[in-house]
Amino acid sequence: EAQVTQNPRYLITVTGKKLTVTCSQNMNHEYMSWYRQDPGLGLRQIYYSMNVEVTDKGDVPEGYKVSRKEKRNFPLILESPSPNQTSLYFCASRPQSGMRTDTQYFGPGTRLTVL
Amino acid sequence: AQSVTQLGSHVSVSEGALVLLRCNYSSSVPPYLFWYVQYPNQGLQLLLKYTSAATLVKGINGFEAEFKKSETSFHLTKPSAHMSDAAEYFCAVSDRSRDDKIIFGKGTRLHILP
Repeated sequence: EAQVTQNPRYLITVTGKKLTVTCSQNMNHEYMSWYRQDPGLGLRQIYYSMNVEVTDKGDVPEGYKVSRKEKRNFPLILESPSPNQTSLYFCASRPQSGMRTDTQYFGPGTRLTVL
Repeated sequence: AQSVTQLGSHVSVSEGALVLLRCNYSSSVPPYLFWYVQYPNQGLQLLLKYTSAATLVKGINGFEAEFKKSETSFHLTKPSAHMSDAAEYFCAVSDRSRDDKIIFGKGTRLHILP
């Protein structure tokens, strides 16, 4: 089944404890992206990647890191999480970079709470 | 820069009534427009998209949207609401000024009244 998977789905952690949220897609998509969803703010893009080893900042990149060493994986890293990073996070992928009409496929989400 | 405005963070309709969710966009070039739906505890999935072909776009689950350039609108409609339509709906525009970026509206939560 074609899908985007994220792990973990739920995570409660404490301030300053490094964490990684994994994202993997099995559709051979070039483009991958991370969003955070907050009430009343919709989805905001954190980082995106147009292909392997190519990443760029979105609208709210502060406090986050990403890497794209393989086409299928795009982990989101919080080196020192803070309470304002408590949010619902979505990974998404799309077949081709530069094809703005392509449908984005979203993962099921990761609900992160930072105490 | 492109932007999207969704009117109404919450909309309630009775089962069987017309669903109308409003979306207005701002763009200096012809846009690509999308509607996504998010069911509880799930990710977003595409309902429909406008890519400069037909202005009336039909999507899944009986939804459709009409692109109106003169009104800069892309409202989502469904003739008869069903309880299973209760979800959050996001309008989005593809930003041609930035590589591959899609800008989402803040979302409208649709409530279906029995």
